[in-house]
Amino acid sequence: DAGVTQSPTHLIKTRGQQVTLRCSPISGHKSVSWYQQVLGQGPQFIFQYYEKEERGRGNFPDRFSARQFPNYSSELNVNALLLGDSALYLCASSIQGAGELFFGEGSRLTVL
Amino acid sequence: DQQVKQNSPSLSVQEGRISILNCDYTNSMFDYFLWYKKYPAEGPTFLISISSIKDKNEDGRFTVFLNKSAKHLSLHIVPSQPGDSAVYFCAAAAYSGTALIFGKGTTLSVSS
Repeated sequence: DAGVTQSPTHLIKTRGQQVTLRCSPISGHKSVSWYQQVLGQGPQFIFQYYEKEERGRGNFPDRFSARQFPNYSSELNVNALLLGDSALYLCASSIQGAGELFFGEGSRLTVL
Repeated sequence: DQQVKQNSPSLSVQEGRISILNCDYTNSMFDYFLWYKKYPAEGPTFLISISSIKDKNEDGRFTVFLNKSAKHLSLHIVPSQPGDSAVYFCAAAAYSGTALIFGKGTTLSVSS
């Protein structure tokens, strides 16, 4: 069975641009969460979606938005990119949003 | 203010010996704790979890201990193997299914 898949794996943007990251959860998982990991830190919670509804939101500015589609895949959008947005963006899925999370390999975003 | 703290950035252990990774938390609302392992260029992988109603949980070579009064948990790996070399993250949640709060991680190096 396929695990959590994320795309793109690497991307480079310039300040002020917008980026969309995509995530496909494990088959049967209805919850998707997004985390940001900057170098030397642990993952930091951005969003959680369950059954297409936002279940939780971390301490991130409104430039960050996300959505979940009927097939449970998800997109994370970041507008007006800043240098500090450079990070590894991790998507994780779970069956109902409860219990352990299964992470993808991440999308490495570099903002120049 | 960090709610989950891993105060040792690194740990070196010889193959066959015990590895003990420590984690402290400050939020008394946390009642579900997890350990994840992360290799370079991969997403975090779930290792083991424990709920606050227990003080110990075992899975093969991995055992997690929880001391609620001290707000402290530890992960024991016995015996340690070179393949265990990775970054280990401690994570906590107020209840299963909410956002995970991660520590900064401890890099474990197991030498043969």
